[in-house]
Amino acid sequence: DTGVSQDPRHKITKRGQNVTFRCDPISEHNRLYWYRQTLGQGPEFLTYFQNEAQLEKSRLLSDRFSAERPKGSFSTLEIQRTEQGDSAMYLCASSYPSGSSGANVLTFGAGSRLTVL
Amino acid sequence: GNSVTQMEGPVTLSEEAFLTINCTYTATGYPSLFWYVQYPGEGLQLLLKATKADDKGSNKGFEATYRKETTSFHLEKGSVQVSDSAVYFCALTSSGNTGKLIFGQGTTLQVKP
Repeated sequence: DTGVSQDPRHKITKRGQNVTFRCDPISEHNRLYWYRQTLGQGPEFLTYFQNEAQLEKSRLLSDRFSAERPKGSFSTLEIQRTEQGDSAMYLCASSYPSGSSGANVLTFGAGSRLTVL
Repeated sequence: GNSVTQMEGPVTLSEEAFLTINCTYTATGYPSLFWYVQYPGEGLQLLLKATKADDKGSNKGFEATYRKETTSFHLEKGSVQVSDSAVYFCALTSSGNTGKLIFGQGTTLQVKP
């Protein structure tokens, strides 16, 4: 168990470019979550998957944001036409299924920091 | 919807001082409550949790008790160390069965030698 891995750790891009972040969850976890964290704030929920199904999306997730988890394993978060307001830390977390003893305990990755110039 | 409010920081203490970070919540139903910690340059780590009223979560000398009557989950430690300097986040599960957590804004703790 190597924990939750995120890649890249840092991304600097110019306004208007597209960026993609990848998350590899803990292999036994079937739930996967994306959060966004800006400086001095707590993480804000973006979206969540159970296996390959995207079951909830926050209103924070504009049309420029899309997330996938095609085989129920790793997930990607793509931001199209980036804006300076997208600059933040993007966090991925995973957890065991509902009903298991570890349910509701989210294990976080180290995050992917995005800077939009 | 469910929400959580933490005391604002930063909190600055001398080593071996007593720590309290206040957290109150608003929720429907019976959420689980958590404290996560974020050390400089690292990801969020679970510190402790409580799943029902009157439960006490504890870890690494930190404690928090789930108080339904006051809707609180205050974090305490009897004697802080410099290595406890970090940002602490209170969180609760949202309504429904998604496992999604809702976080407070975080409280920065600085412990001076």
